Amino acid sequence: EIVLTQSPGTLSLSPGERATLSCRASQSLSNNYLAWYQQTPGQAPRLLIQDASSRATGIPDRFSGSGSGTDFTLTISRLEPEDFAVYYCQQYGSSPWTFGHGTKVDIK
Amino acid sequence: QVQLQESGPGLVRPSETLSLTCTVSGDSISSYFWSWIRQPPGRGLQWIGYIHYTGSTNYNPSLKSRVTMSVDTSKNQFSLKLTSVTTADTAVYYCARVHGGWFDPWGQGTLVTVSS
Repeated sequence: EIVLTQSPGTLSLSPGERATLSCRASQSLSNNYLAWYQQTPGQAPRLLIQDASSRATGIPDRFSGSGSGTDFTLTISRLEPEDFAVYYCQQYGSSPWTFGHGTKVDIK
Repeated sequence: QVQLQESGPGLVRPSETLSLTCTVSGDSISSYFWSWIRQPPGRGLQWIGYIHYTGSTNYNPSLKSRVTMSVDTSKNQFSLKLTSVTTADTAVYYCARVHGGWFDPWGQGTLVTVSS
């Protein structure tokens, strides 16, 4: 199974700052089949990015995804108050589909 | 707008079977694959498996021996059964629509506690 390692575990930033989240796969993902989700407390995860870099419908353009192979990045260009949450990456290039353990973005 | 809603008992005894149903509205269940994902309290996400309306399934090998998914097209529902549960199966269980491998949208989730 492909293991996804997210770093850092926690990112402490202020509103307006840039957030850079990393997701590293234990083996190369076919077709860069990687998604990113945002989860706020008590809520279900929400899809942000699919296929490593395609924004989901209705997602603001301050969210962007990049990367290929084994190294992927989610960037939030300017943090808004509602962006403080936990972010998960997920690979669907190889079964079983797996998630990273998450990066928490909290207010500094 | 597609909506998914999980339903089922919130408490299951150890060694018994966990049974959940996901009701889909705003879309036909015959259009996509459908999945179950779970999240133990305070922890990360685990994919359980997916089902197609034809009955084709793919389960996570770590749970495969205990998992059965089924679909009822007449009710636009799909279901999860997990046998021989232990306290390690305590989690919020989500259902979700599968798009080429990613999940969108998700149901709100339902907490299932395994306890005697």
